Amino acid sequence: DIQMTQSPSSLSASIGDSVTITCRASQNIRNYLSWYQQKPGKAPRLLIYGASSLQSGVPSRFSGGGLGTDFTLTIASLQPEDFATYHCQQTYTIPWTFGQGTKVEIK
Amino acid sequence: EVQLVESGGGLVKPGESLRLSCAASGFSFSSYTMNWVRQAPGKGLEWVSSISSSSSYMYYADSMRGRFTVSRDNAKSSLYLQMNTLTADDTAVYYCARAGYGDQFHFDYWGQGTLVTVSS
Repeated sequence: DIQMTQSPSSLSASIGDSVTITCRASQNIRNYLSWYQQKPGKAPRLLIYGASSLQSGVPSRFSGGGLGTDFTLTIASLQPEDFATYHCQQTYTIPWTFGQGTKVEIK
Repeated sequence: EVQLVESGGGLVKPGESLRLSCAASGFSFSSYTMNWVRQAPGKGLEWVSSISSSSSYMYYADSMRGRFTVSRDNAKSSLYLQMNTLTADDTAVYYCARAGYGDQFHFDYWGQGTLVTVSS
């Protein structure tokens, strides 16, 4: 199975900050990488797919990058509604696997 | 508007069975691969199973293969997950999710989830 490792596991940031979360795959997954946002008690919400394609309706302050094994999710100018947990997922090969999540908290 | 609504969760004893349902609306259900994903309390997301649009292909996570069965009824726009021989490790919120168009298989819409608790 492909292991997905996110870093950091949590971070504290202020409104207006830019933050970057990293996701590393245990083998080459080309660009088969998605990012999801999840708030407490809610279902995940797709933000980015294909490593860098922004899902319809997602604010442009979210961006994704990377290829192969190393990927990033960047949130430019954090807004109050962005404090949540972020998950990466590979869909290159079954079993689809997720990272352990990164919790973004208010400093 | 795309909607996915899960049902069927509840409290069961170890060894018992449960059938989850996911009612879809707002899109052409028969055209999409559908998925189940679960999340144990305080834990990350775990893919459970996927089924292709015409039920030609079904895939399972290793820990669920042989105990869980995914199915769908395109006439009813519904997805199902039959779960047998449940253990405490199966306690989780179970989400159904649609796989978007194309070859990326990203999960573009999710239901609100249904909680399954396995406890004696």
